[in-house]
Amino acid sequence: KQEVTQIPAALSVPEGENLVLNCSFTDSAIYNLQWFRQDPGKGLTSLLLIQSSQREQTSGRLNASLDKSSGRSTLYIAASQPGDSATYLCAVFSRGTSGTYKYIFGTGTRLKVLA
Amino acid sequence: GAVVSQHPSWVICKSGTSVKIECRSLDFQATTMFWYRQFPKQSLMLMATSNEGSKATYEQGVEKDKFLINHASLTLSTLTVTSAHPEDSSFYICSAKYPPTGGSSSRETQYFGPGTRLLVL
Repeated sequence: KQEVTQIPAALSVPEGENLVLNCSFTDSAIYNLQWFRQDPGKGLTSLLLIQSSQREQTSGRLNASLDKSSGRSTLYIAASQPGDSATYLCAVFSRGTSGTYKYIFGTGTRLKVLA
Repeated sequence: GAVVSQHPSWVICKSGTSVKIECRSLDFQATTMFWYRQFPKQSLMLMATSNEGSKATYEQGVEKDKFLINHASLTLSTLTVTSAHPEDSSFYICSAKYPPTGGSSSRETQYFGPGTRLLVL
């Protein structure tokens, strides 16, 4: 059974710092991995999608890497800003025991960037 | 990009009533949609997979008679919480599979709706 864990659970940093969020998954047979942002009381905003054949994806100040064999992904945020404060969710897309493909979400990292 | 909407965004109801939540794919046809639930400070948990024209597939531990899913068209899936109770209060998010059909599983993804917050008094 696929399990997704994110570390740390919460993070508070001063503005301008570079930071790394970690995601690990137990079953390496994934099709893709996606990082999302969720603001309090809101839905999900997709940040980066990494296909299983890819090693990393970049968008602006965000860079996500994927190491399928070790079951790890990292989200790197450069020069953090107060507007980056949110919960970041990692989700892996894989085939479940019933044969259907589905996303399994991690527990999330609550980020607070202090001005 | 693909857009998924949900309605309503907020609903408050009395215990014992039924609540219907709609999930629509606005610019693509979605043969498969998914319903998730998120309790405060917890992650999203898949409740069920909704397939157009057929019965939904429920995850273990989710009561199919309580959470009725209807995927009657290629752009609309509905989740009805029947006889809602305070413990059903949660954030419900839907997603739609993209591309709609065919293609490689490795290129498949989901687009998520903005969520519906349900408060049962």
